[in-house]
Amino acid sequence: GAVVSQHPSRVICKSGTSVKIECRSLDFQATTMFWYRQFPKQSLMLMATSNEGSKATYEQGVEKDKFLINHASLTLSTLTVTSAHPEDSSFYICSARDSDRGHSPLHFGNGTRLTVT
Amino acid sequence: DAKTTQPPSMDCAEGRAANLPCNHSTISGNEYVYWYRQIHSQGPQYIIHGLKNNETNEMASLIITEDRKSSTLILPHATLRDTAVYYCIVRVGHNAGNMLTFGGGTRLMVKP
Repeated sequence: GAVVSQHPSRVICKSGTSVKIECRSLDFQATTMFWYRQFPKQSLMLMATSNEGSKATYEQGVEKDKFLINHASLTLSTLTVTSAHPEDSSFYICSARDSDRGHSPLHFGNGTRLTVT
Repeated sequence: DAKTTQPPSMDCAEGRAANLPCNHSTISGNEYVYWYRQIHSQGPQYIIHGLKNNETNEMASLIITEDRKSSTLILPHATLRDTAVYYCIVRVGHNAGNMLTFGGGTRLMVKP
């Protein structure tokens, strides 16, 4: 089945630094990928939609200059958390769907737990 | 996307069937019902989806009522590893650009 690989699985960084998270579709092409964020004991919240070859679409309240998204190929999207602060500590999850298959389901990466100290 | 309503939590004895309900009374004709689950500290895992017919795969069965206003996910023989939060989501399926909107889900606890 379709596999989405996310890296790193866990990262700890100091306040003010930037962190890049990669999301790859391993056996299919994805023109669109989605980035979610999940705080403890809460559900997943969509942050942005990543579109291959064009600008990402951000949800209301998500700063596009802070959460930089690049979708340079049909199998890779990256999320960079710039100038991270402790309140950015969260579980970040990407998802993707096979662009060539009708109503195929979204598949999710295993998430990246970011801790900003 | 249509809103869904699920009980916040359920318990199930190991080896018994777990029946997880979901109400989606405002579902429209072109919206599919998807089920995902999230085991602690992992990304959501796709389980099953359907439009109007009942569906079965190696993980679970999905029963959709005739009026499509509700559905039930059935795990036929629950194991401890099935302890997770289960999300029922409805969305239009024929578009690669459609994201999933997650509600609160049902926290299923499988007990020995």
